[in-house]
Amino acid sequence: DSGVTQTPKHLITATGQRVTLRCSPRSGDLSVYWYQQSLDQGLQFLIHYYNGEERAKGNILERFSAQQFPDLHSELNLSSLELGDSALYFCASSVVNTNTEAFFGQGTRLTVV
Amino acid sequence: DQQVKQNSPSLSVQEGRISILNCDYTNSMFDYFLWYKKYPAEGPTFLISISSIKDKNEDGRFTVFLNKSAKHLSLHIVPSQPGDSAVYFCAASAYRQGAQKLVFGQGTRLTINP
Repeated sequence: DSGVTQTPKHLITATGQRVTLRCSPRSGDLSVYWYQQSLDQGLQFLIHYYNGEERAKGNILERFSAQQFPDLHSELNLSSLELGDSALYFCASSVVNTNTEAFFGQGTRLTVV
Repeated sequence: DQQVKQNSPSLSVQEGRISILNCDYTNSMFDYFLWYKKYPAEGPTFLISISSIKDKNEDGRFTVFLNKSAKHLSLHIVPSQPGDSAVYFCAASAYRQGAQKLVFGQGTRLTINP
């Protein structure tokens, strides 16, 4: 158990809908990262938050947004969903805002039908 | 633009032998490198890391080698065990201006045969 909690574990929704994925980082971790893994491909970096502030953006679509709340949990919002958004979405957290290992949650499997 | 590449999608090794997983990166700004292991239906698990100021880091059966001039790193597992069968991701990191950029390769599926 990495200490990073993601909910829900599975989500099935229709095209055009909006969903929210939730992540609770490890206790004490200030950094939260979101990654997308499609079809056994690599982990694509989406966005990084540190202590409530957005710090870096990767290949995140405009239909996607995220935020980190004062209690440090984070939410990833996906809207106007398309079939191609079906993927595993991982959240990771790390203790300090520097080069360090990140610890991953078990992921949310999103299926868009 | 694939900044971190793992050119072997899969690797099969006999139990007890050495497993060598390779990774190449293109961006010189990366100065910290990590290996993660992933089982099906689980999140990636941190395995071992190396800073760019070193060329080798060892932790038990796992050793990571870094060749900065070639922009290449490798993970050696000796001896390989059936429980090592998983997907291994190489990652490269750069910390700049208050943000850590952590980029992953596509992964290599390692199968250890008894």
